[in-house]
Amino acid sequence: SQTIHQWPATLVQPVGSPLSLECTVEGTSNPNLYWYRQAAGRGLQLLFYSVGIGQISSEVPQNLSASRPQDRQFILSSKKLLLSDSGFYLCAWSVREGKRHEQFFGPGTRLTVL
Amino acid sequence: AQSVTQLGSHVSVSEGALVLLRCNYSSSVPPYLFWYVQYPNQGLQLLLKYTTGATLVKGINGFEAEFKKSETSFHLTKPSAHMSDAAEYFCAVSDVSNSGYALNFGKGTSLLVTP
Repeated sequence: SQTIHQWPATLVQPVGSPLSLECTVEGTSNPNLYWYRQAAGRGLQLLFYSVGIGQISSEVPQNLSASRPQDRQFILSSKKLLLSDSGFYLCAWSVREGKRHEQFFGPGTRLTVL
Repeated sequence: AQSVTQLGSHVSVSEGALVLLRCNYSSSVPPYLFWYVQYPNQGLQLLLKYTTGATLVKGINGFEAEFKKSETSFHLTKPSAHMSDAAEYFCAVSDVSNSGYALNFGKGTSLLVTP
């Protein structure tokens, strides 16, 4: 069966510090991968998605970036965090075939920027 | 683009009572619709989905939803609420815009179950 891992589970970082969140998927090949951010009362906002190694699409301009160095690894990064980057970050995957399939979510990372 | 509106950011029901969480969508093409549940500090878990075919969809934990095209609705129901159903519920519609890969989520409904 497929599983998706995210780490760390929680993170407290000072403003201006760098960020690296990692997501890995097991039990599937060639998945589509996604990064979402969830802020209180605002639902989920798609940040990035990837359909293959090295292929990243950004949905929202911001000081975050994403990379996909391996087929089942997706990394969210920032060079300098802002207070507004605080939130709950969720990684998700879906099957490659078709554009309308359900997405499966990881456990999330709670990021607090102070 | 497709979008979802969840009516009521908070819903409170008594244990054993009917659960009804409302979701309306807008879509220019036949939608794919999803309900997810999120427990505190956890990721989202798929409850059920509608793609094509039967309009009444059954999911996990006794939940079901009915796709009503004429009403552009996909409301989530459960006949008898359990304390363990207390969570955040999200309705989502598949986006077939140029990017084609996003799920557009509603803002969520927090379900409170009282003894």
